[in-house]
Amino acid sequence: GQNIDQPTEMTATEGAIVQINCTYQTSGFNGLFWYQQHAGEAPTFLSYNVLDGLEEKGRFSSFLSRSKGYSYLLLKELQMKDSASYLCAVFNDYKLSFGAGTTVTVRA
Amino acid sequence: EAQVTQNPRYLITVTGKKLTVTCSQNMNHEYMSWYRQDPGLGLRQIYYSMNVEVTDKGDVPEGYKVSRKEKRNFPLILESPSPNQTSLYFCASSPGTGDNTEAFFGQGTRLTVV
Repeated sequence: GQNIDQPTEMTATEGAIVQINCTYQTSGFNGLFWYQQHAGEAPTFLSYNVLDGLEEKGRFSSFLSRSKGYSYLLLKELQMKDSASYLCAVFNDYKLSFGAGTTVTVRA
Repeated sequence: EAQVTQNPRYLITVTGKKLTVTCSQNMNHEYMSWYRQDPGLGLRQIYYSMNVEVTDKGDVPEGYKVSRKEKRNFPLILESPSPNQTSLYFCASSPGTGDNTEAFFGQGTRLTVV
């Protein structure tokens, strides 16, 4: 089966940095995605990692260590609009399995 | 505009009354899938399809059916809905299953079964 863990909630201040960790234990691995989901809306793609290392996209970066079954999403220069749920998902064998999501609240 | 369209957006129905949620994408994507999202459980995959006439079970397929007669459409069928199928449903499509294939999600269908 698939086991994907991420913290339930995180709170940070506007302008700060937050790191959301994701650990996974899956029967196989073909890549890891991060999605952002605002309340009541559809998830939107943030990043994809298939090789070890850091992928940077503007204020968002994602890191992967396949040997450790570990990824993190780094959000820099937090803005109020970054308040949302962040979903870690592992792609394996044509299936995409999601963690329960981390709700990030940005405070002024 | 590239998009995934689900209908209806909201639906209240009674136990046992068959219903279909439609999903259509205009991006010529091969891979499509259905998810349900429940509080504390995240998104769980119901069924997926790798191409026309090719479908397979996800993690929670019980009580659902799908079909893929055309590339653009991937309807979700509940033959006999039950209250435990009350949930938020998302359809998604992606170009394939290779590298960097982000999924595009529809806007969701909030289903209530009473």
